[in-house]
Amino acid sequence: AQKVTQAQTEISVVEKEDVTLDCVYETRDTTYYLFWYKQPPSGELVFLIRRNSFDEQNEISGRYSWNFQKSTSSFNFTITASQVVDSAVYFCALLIQGGSEKLVFGKGTKLTVNP
Amino acid sequence: DVKVTQSSRYLVKRTGEKVFLECVQDMDHENMFWYRQDPGLGLRLIYFSYDVKMKEKGDIPEGYSVSREKKERFSLILESASTNQTSMYLCASSLPTVTEAFFGQGTRLTVV
Repeated sequence: AQKVTQAQTEISVVEKEDVTLDCVYETRDTTYYLFWYKQPPSGELVFLIRRNSFDEQNEISGRYSWNFQKSTSSFNFTITASQVVDSAVYFCALLIQGGSEKLVFGKGTKLTVNP
Repeated sequence: DVKVTQSSRYLVKRTGEKVFLECVQDMDHENMFWYRQDPGLGLRLIYFSYDVKMKEKGDIPEGYSVSREKKERFSLILESASTNQTSMYLCASSLPTVTEAFFGQGTRLTVV
C-alpha cells in the first residue's frame, strides 16, 4: 500500500525565516512520482513540483527547494526567506506509475508566515 | 491555461436531498477525479474516471456515485445527502501519462 506522511500539522514562522516541510512516503514500487501542491486560502490546489523516483537531484526554484532522499523515503520542501504570501496548506503526494495513476496525498501542513 | 471549473463555490443542502456537484475541464484531459478534503484528514479520493462512461471507486466511495457522459464533464452525486458529507469537494483532471493534476477551486458543501 502507498502512504504519505506529513508529520507537521501546523507551522508558524516569522517573515524571512527559512522553513522546511517534511514529507515521508511509503511504497514497494520502484517507479513512482512525488509531488508538492500549495493550497492558498482561495482553495485551489496549485502544482509546485514533480519528481520521479530515478531522479534524486535536488531542485531549486527561486526561494523554493526540494530535497529528495530515497534512502530515507523523504521528499522535503524548504522555503527560504519566507513571505506572508507563502501562507497556505502544503500537500505532498505520491503517484505510482503503471498503477491506477491516482495521487495519494498526505494530510497537509498548514504554514503561517507572520509579518 | 488549464481550467477546471466547479459549478458552485458554496452549497447548502438538506439531509436526504439528492445533490449534484458538477466539474468541467477545458483541456481535453482523459482523467478526472473527485476528492474530499476534511481537516486533519487531507484529501481522500472518492471516485475517478479514465474515460467517458468509465469510473472506478476511490478510497471512500460509500454514499456517492459519479457520472461521466462527456469527456469534459465529471459529476459527483450524493444520492441522499447526510450531515457527515459536509465537506470541501475538489475536482481534478490530468492527462493519462504521469503528469500533474489540475484542480478546481473547490465546492464547500454543508448538509443541514
